Amino acid sequence: GENVEQHPSTLSVQEGDSAVIKCTYSDSASNYFPWYKQELGKRPQLIIDIRSNVGEKKDQRIAVTLNKTAKHFSLHITETQPEDSAVYFCAAPTPGDSSYKLIFGSGTRLLVRP
Amino acid sequence: GAVVSQHPSRVICKSGTSVKIECRSLDFQATTMFWYRQFPKQSLMLMATSNEGSKATYEQGVEKDKFLINHASLTLSTLTVTSAHPEDSSFYICSARDLDHNNEQFFGPGTRLTVL
Repeated sequence: GENVEQHPSTLSVQEGDSAVIKCTYSDSASNYFPWYKQELGKRPQLIIDIRSNVGEKKDQRIAVTLNKTAKHFSLHITETQPEDSAVYFCAAPTPGDSSYKLIFGSGTRLLVRP
Repeated sequence: GAVVSQHPSRVICKSGTSVKIECRSLDFQATTMFWYRQFPKQSLMLMATSNEGSKATYEQGVEKDKFLINHASLTLSTLTVTSAHPEDSSFYICSARDLDHNNEQFFGPGTRLTVL
């Protein structure tokens, strides 16, 4: 089955700097890669996703890049703000599973220092 | 986006009792829902896939007789933790897959279970 690894586990940046979180996946047939933001005690919220037919997707200060050859994808947050502080999870579906279940990375705790 | 509700938000129970958690898709039909468990400062661990009208599919290591899942309608899935023990204390989150939104999963707000 799919295996997703995420790095780093914690990331501290100064407000205004950029933050990058990386994930690798094991199954080359995976074709959908979402990123979720989870604030303490709350539900995960989808912030951006990418499908395997594109290499990059942007939404304002957030971007995701995908390298299918290397089987990794990254979340980029520019001009970070204190409200970006949260735990971020990457995920990938299990290919061939019609339920489209997601396997999550271990999470990255991002702290943006004012 | 689509809305998923979960009830209750918090529950405290005594060891040995059973607890039922409901997950509802409010504005869309969900043939597939998922149940996750999340321990403090850890990731979401998929427990099972709930399929409307059929048996749930459990992940390896999850006891199907302890975590009973019922998906009786297109908008409701329930998770019953039977004979709960303190080690079952966790944050349980459901999600529902919306076919009209490119299979995106929408999460419920979670249920914090504390077993005394």
